[in-house]
Amino acid sequence: KAGVTQTPRYLIKTRGQQVTLSCSPISGHRSVSWYQQTPGQGLQFLFEYFSETQRNKGNFPGRFSGRQFSNSRSEMNVSTLELGDSALYLCASSLGQENTEAFFGQGTRLTVV
Amino acid sequence: AQSVTQLGSHVSVSEGALVLLRCNYSSSVPPYLFWYVQYPNQGLQLLLKYTTGATLVKGINGFEAEFKKSETSFHLTKPSAHMSDAAEYFCAVRFSGGYQKVTFGTGTKLQVIP
Repeated sequence: KAGVTQTPRYLIKTRGQQVTLSCSPISGHRSVSWYQQTPGQGLQFLFEYFSETQRNKGNFPGRFSGRQFSNSRSEMNVSTLELGDSALYLCASSLGQENTEAFFGQGTRLTVV
Repeated sequence: AQSVTQLGSHVSVSEGALVLLRCNYSSSVPPYLFWYVQYPNQGLQLLLKYTTGATLVKGINGFEAEFKKSETSFHLTKPSAHMSDAAEYFCAVRFSGGYQKVTFGTGTKLQVIP
């Protein structure tokens, strides 16, 4: 069974640009969550999508957005990039019930210069 | 407020010694509890989880954790550390009503000394 796939693995962008990250969940999983990991702030929840609907949202500015497609694949977009957006972005998929665990991808390392 | 706390950002143990990583949560309702491990430049791998039932949970790689409601704790242990256990460990909590939102502790980096 294939795991969670995130593309690309590494990305370098310039301040002010926008970026789109992609996540393919485990087959059969309908929930996709996104997290930002930085040395200073640790792992922070961005948002969760379930069956194409955003079900929960963390405390991030509107520059961070996402969507989910009918095949459960998800994309995350960050507009007007800032240096502080440099981070490891992790995607997690699950069946969607509260008592089910989340499976993480290897992440996309975004560097903003 | 609901939160999760990991005591000790760095823990060092000798190879073969007991590993104990501490995790406490703050919530009036017992949440769902998880431990994840992260190796450098990798995603998170689930070690074990507690949802309901038996409070002593066994996970992969010889790790186990015990849910103690009275102490609001979910400490991770392993009887004998291996060099391959060196990594960063995250305690994670999912509070009821939060759907799939997981709140992570700040992490504990485990160093294993030969």
